[in-house]
Amino acid sequence: EVQLLESGGGLVQPGESLRLSCAASSLTFSSFAMNWVRQAPGKGLEWVSAISGSGDSTYYADSVKGRFTISRDNSKNTLYLQMNNLRAEDTAVYYCAKGLQWLVNLDFFDLWGQGTMVAVSS
Amino acid sequence: EIVLTQSPATLSLSPGERATLSCRASQSVSTYLAWYQQKPGQAPRLLIYEVSNRATGIPARFSGSGSGTDFTLTISSLEPEDFAVYYCQQRTNWPPITFGGGTKVEI
Repeated sequence: EVQLLESGGGLVQPGESLRLSCAASSLTFSSFAMNWVRQAPGKGLEWVSAISGSGDSTYYADSVKGRFTISRDNSKNTLYLQMNNLRAEDTAVYYCAKGLQWLVNLDFFDLWGQGTMVAVSS
Repeated sequence: EIVLTQSPATLSLSPGERATLSCRASQSVSTYLAWYQQKPGQAPRLLIYEVSNRATGIPARFSGSGSGTDFTLTISSLEPEDFAVYYCQQRTNWPPITFGGGTKVEI
């Protein structure tokens, strides 16, 4: 079964760092762009970042640019999100999501993980 | 940034009824628009992509239409499992990819 499994969420204080991981199983991982999408409690969906299949191209929402870094290790079928200088407004469930189409960098999302909660509070 | 405005915010219907959800873009997104369904405590699920293409495994009662700036998701006859929140998403003027604020379909 094709699936994505996030990990690494937790409770941190403002200004601290956290790294999220997303392990992919049973798919040709390196052929598809991957994304992080977040959802604050009781709110809608917000796209955070994307990375091409090769990892050569990365994209960020303005709200996280300069603080978050997306990366991937295709040998391990794993996606990462390094989050630095976290703020209260970063509190959300973070989902990893797979791009729909082969070799399209920014796309629709046809496979989602179950999400991992990040809470930023003093 | 392209802003997607969904209406209504809440749609109160009964099983068997037809649901019509709207998504309006602040500028043309061509055909690069998708719809997702999200149930409480679950990840979103892709329903429709490129305006009118159903994703794998999506029942035929879900259909999408529109072009340019105005789009519609129609559920022809609501099943009990269809009561959820629905989001539209565009990928045209990227980055950023943007989502609409959502429409809750409730009983």
